[in-house]
Amino acid sequence: DGGITQSPKYLFRKEGQNVTLSCEQNLNHDAMYWYRQDPGQGLRLIYYSQIVNDFQKGDIAEGYSVSREKKESFPLTVTSAQKNPTAFYLCASSSFSGGDQPQHFGDGTRLSIL
Amino acid sequence: AQSVTQLDSHVSVSEGTPVLLRCNYSSSYSPSLFWYVQHPNKGLQLLLKYTSAATLVKGINGFEAEFKKSETSFHLTKPSAHMSDAAEYFCVVRYTGGFKTIFGAGTRLFVKA
Repeated sequence: DGGITQSPKYLFRKEGQNVTLSCEQNLNHDAMYWYRQDPGQGLRLIYYSQIVNDFQKGDIAEGYSVSREKKESFPLTVTSAQKNPTAFYLCASSSFSGGDQPQHFGDGTRLSIL
Repeated sequence: AQSVTQLDSHVSVSEGTPVLLRCNYSSSYSPSLFWYVQHPNKGLQLLLKYTSAATLVKGINGFEAEFKKSETSFHLTKPSAHMSDAAEYFCVVRYTGGFKTIFGAGTRLFVKA
């Protein structure tokens, strides 16, 4: 079955540490996205990529970095500059970035501070 | 500014009774509208989408939504709630020619036995 795989499901970060969240899709989608979800809030866009080797900042990119070296992979690094990283992180993809294409989501990674 | 408002943060219904989750969006020429469901510690699952075809859209698990341009609304309904419908629901809008996806704040649906 095609879909989006996020790993790990749970992740713990120590002070001053960078951590990387994995996102892989086998849907052959061009566009990929990273969202952050905090309790009682909607989703906020961190970064998105419409094509390999290209990505743009979303609304809350500070303290995060991404890469898009392969079509199927879009890893997110939470750097030590992100002072409040505890959240649920969701990766999504869509067939292209046009308005009528729904996004497909992975099952998320929950990041906590040790 | 483009926006989407889910009018209720929480909705509680009894099993077997109708469900109504309300969503309003800011006016635009050609919005695409979506409803997603999220169960605890899971990603968002697409329930249905409206993309300028029929105004009454049928989705999975017995849900449907009606696009009302005059009211800028896209409310989600289900005739009879099931315990498994208890989850958080998100109304989402995208606008033609734009990339940005706008998520509502979510409505938590509780289903009582």
